[in-house]
Parts: sequence; structure tokens; C-alpha cells
Amino acid sequence: EVRLVESGGGLVQPGRSLRLSCTAYGFMFGDDAISWVRQAPGKGLEWVGIIRSRAYGGTTEYAASVKGRFTISRDDSKTTAYLQMSSLKTEDTAVYYCVRDLVVMAYFDHWGQGALVTVSS
Amino acid sequence: QSILTQPPSVSGAPGQRVTISCTGSSSNIGAGYDVHWYQQLPGTAPKLLIHGNSNRPSGVPDRFSGSKSGTSASLAITGLQADDEANYYCQSYDNSLSGSRVFGGGTKLTVL
Repeated sequence: EVRLVESGGGLVQPGRSLRLSCTAYGFMFGDDAISWVRQAPGKGLEWVGIIRSRAYGGTTEYAASVKGRFTISRDDSKTTAYLQMSSLKTEDTAVYYCVRDLVVMAYFDHWGQGALVTVSS
Repeated sequence: QSILTQPPSVSGAPGQRVTISCTGSSSNIGAGYDVHWYQQLPGTAPKLLIHGNSNRPSGVPDRFSGSKSGTSASLAITGLQADDEANYYCQSYDNSLSGSRVFGGGTKLTVL
């Protein structure tokens, strides 16, 4: 069974940093891309960024709203992806979902349960 | 403001058919990129409902169907049931934005 489990969410002050983890189970993690998708309270879904598999160069891309502040990385030996968030703003408050990204077709076939990040003083 | 446009809400009585539209542009749906749909039940993570415009993953009832034409796509739900009440999101790829997977703003389906 494919599972994605996020951890590391919590309350953080504006301007500070936080790192989310996404641990994967039940599939060949190293063969797949991982994206992060977020959802602000009461709002819709927003794609945050992607890290491709080693076969696709392990490259990353980001939404304009987080580019330069967020960094996605992965450790295939731990079947874990990370979302490092820096210079956090109140508008980054959201539930962050880790998703398996079927990169050729550009859609998400499995979602984690989400991790809540609250940016507030 | 979302790149893909969906109606904020639709409603229907049990047993009826409803459709949800998703309108894009020449840099996403109109450029030939596929449309995918997700269902988000209250308090839960989204779930893939339709991929590649009209394909249902295993376990999704055939009451759900998708189509695409030009710069738009639609999700149809027939035989509406109470537990279909959820938010529905369309998603595609946009070649004017780096990397970008783009979502519609979401449609709240109310079963009357």
C-alpha cells in the first residue's frame, strides 16, 4: 500500500524557518517525483514545488510565491523528501501535503494526510 | 485568482446528474495538456478522482466521468449520493510557468 506521511508541522514566527519531512512507504521511492501542495485555511489547493527522481536529474522547480525561500530535497536511502521553508510569512500558513507526482502526465496519484504550518507571532 | 476557473458551487438532489466545468487557456488545457480531477471530502486530504481527462483510478465508481474539449474540461457525476458532497478541484499543467502544475479554485458540491 502506497503511503506518504508528513511530519514537522507546527507554529513558527514570521521570518523564521521550518522543515517538513515526507516519508514514503509501499513503492520504489527513488523512481518517483515528489511534489508539495498546500492549502491555506478555507482556501483551495496551491502547488508549491517538485523534486524529480534521479533518473530525471533530481531537479527542482518552485511556484513563484515560494521561489527563493523554499527548498525541496530528498534522501532516497531514507525514502524521505523534505520541504525546507525559510523567511516564512503569515500567508504561508497552510496544510502542506506531500504527493507522489507522476511527472510525465503531471498529476498526483497519492497524497499524504497533510501537516499544518501556522506562521504567527 | 486561479489559473483554471471553476464555479464556486454546484448543487443537485440525490439521484440527479451534475457537471463541474474547468476553464483554462492556450497555455494549459488549450495547449493539449491533460486535465485531472480531485475530490476532497470534509476534513480529509484530496484524492485522485480522474486522470488524463477521462480515466478513473481503480476504486472510483463509474458514476464519475471526465471530458475535455478545447480550453475546457468537465467532471460529471451521475446518480448523485449524499457522500459525494465535497470540494472538487481540476488540475493541469501550464507551460507559461516554471514547473507548473496548476489548480482550479475548487467547486463545492452540495447534495440537497
